[in-house]
Amino acid sequence: DTAVSQTPKYLVTQMGNDKSIKCEQNLGHDTMYWYKQDSKKFLKIMFSYNNKELIINETVPNRFSPKSPDKAHLNLHINSLELGDSAVYFCASSQRGGRNEQFFGPGTRLTVL
Amino acid sequence: AQTVTQSQPEMSVQEAETVTLSCTYDTSENNYYLFWYKQPPSRQMILVIRQEAYKQQNATENRFSVNFQKAAKSFSLKISDSQLGDTAMYFCAFRNRDDKIIFGKGTRLHILP
Repeated sequence: DTAVSQTPKYLVTQMGNDKSIKCEQNLGHDTMYWYKQDSKKFLKIMFSYNNKELIINETVPNRFSPKSPDKAHLNLHINSLELGDSAVYFCASSQRGGRNEQFFGPGTRLTVL
Repeated sequence: AQTVTQSQPEMSVQEAETVTLSCTYDTSENNYYLFWYKQPPSRQMILVIRQEAYKQQNATENRFSVNFQKAAKSFSLKISDSQLGDTAMYFCAFRNRDDKIIFGKGTRLHILP
């Protein structure tokens, strides 16, 4: 019954490694998002996909690459991990359009050592 | 640039009291949407209430209500009869016509027994 799921929930890795976070939604939404929440709880949008098309791409290092194989999935791949990438990453989905609520996944806490 | 400002980093109130969390935003758009999200210690992001800018009537959801002042670009959240379960981070958010959501830095609310 999980609406927006992310795997893994926790990820601990060494600097320089490459890792992926997967996200799936079963709500039939046409838009999916990735957010980064830093240690001060500041939540900032990274990417947004609508019907598998990239529509929002904030100023994010190109080490971060989102991939949307279909409308229900939006994965985040991170190359050459750095200490500053440590954060909680949230996936979310909604129907595109103003008043529609965004449904968030449980978050993935990434720790880079 | 569109911004969302929450001027109260942290607040504490006694259980059953009423508390108001402030939020101001800056935009040149006329039609947009405003949200309050709650993030309890479980980390899950939960929608509390939403407001369409074109509606003059303030939104209400049970114990939660907003005071929306469009001219002043203010969108405060009032929690009545506060409960221990209301303890959380509260984020004010603005959604623009490009479907981008901008979050404030959050207010950490403690409900004291």
